Amino acid sequence: AQSVTQLGSHVSVSEGALVLLRCNYSSSVPPYLFWYVQYPNQGLQLLLKYTTGATLVKGINGFEAEFKKSETSFHLTKPSAHMSDAAEYFCAVSGHNNDMRFGAGTRLTVKP
Amino acid sequence: ETGVTQSPTHLIKTRGQQVTLRCSSQSGHNTVSWYQQALGQGPQFIFQYYREEENGRGNFPPRFSGLQFPNYSSELNVNALELDDSALYLCASSLPTKNTGELFFGEGSRLTVL
Repeated sequence: AQSVTQLGSHVSVSEGALVLLRCNYSSSVPPYLFWYVQYPNQGLQLLLKYTTGATLVKGINGFEAEFKKSETSFHLTKPSAHMSDAAEYFCAVSGHNNDMRFGAGTRLTVKP
Repeated sequence: ETGVTQSPTHLIKTRGQQVTLRCSSQSGHNTVSWYQQALGQGPQFIFQYYREEENGRGNFPPRFSGLQFPNYSSELNVNALELDDSALYLCASSLPTKNTGELFFGEGSRLTVL
């Protein structure tokens, strides 16, 4: 069955520092992988997705993620954090049942 | 382009009561999915509707039921509310592209069960 595990429920970085949010997946078939962001009191918004093709995926707001099959990983990065990046980030994998399976989330805090 | 809208935004119920949550999908989207997000957790899939038929269901009991209307709007009904049903309920609309498509989420309905 498809699932994702997010490593670290909380990540804190300084403004301007590298952001790295970790996600590992489990899937019996080639996975479709997603990163969503949730700002306080809002719904989720898609940052980026991997379906097929290029393994380095660029998304909105300067984020990117690399699909590594050998490591079963899909980590999210951003070279330089901005205060506005503070939010909850969710990794997800598409399931067999027309569903999206989300990780538990990583809360990103950006310090001035 | 109108986004996904949900109502009500907040509501409080007591154990045993019933609740109906409503969702209007984004313009042009004919597929609606419902998710439950408990505090501090990721969203959990409840079910999906496509062309007014249930098109997939997660591990939720039958007291969670839904409807989709010809205009693609949707309702989530929960009967015999339990304390553990307290959560943010998210509606998401999409095009039926076999999970390669993007989900467009509303801001959710926060349900508190006392």
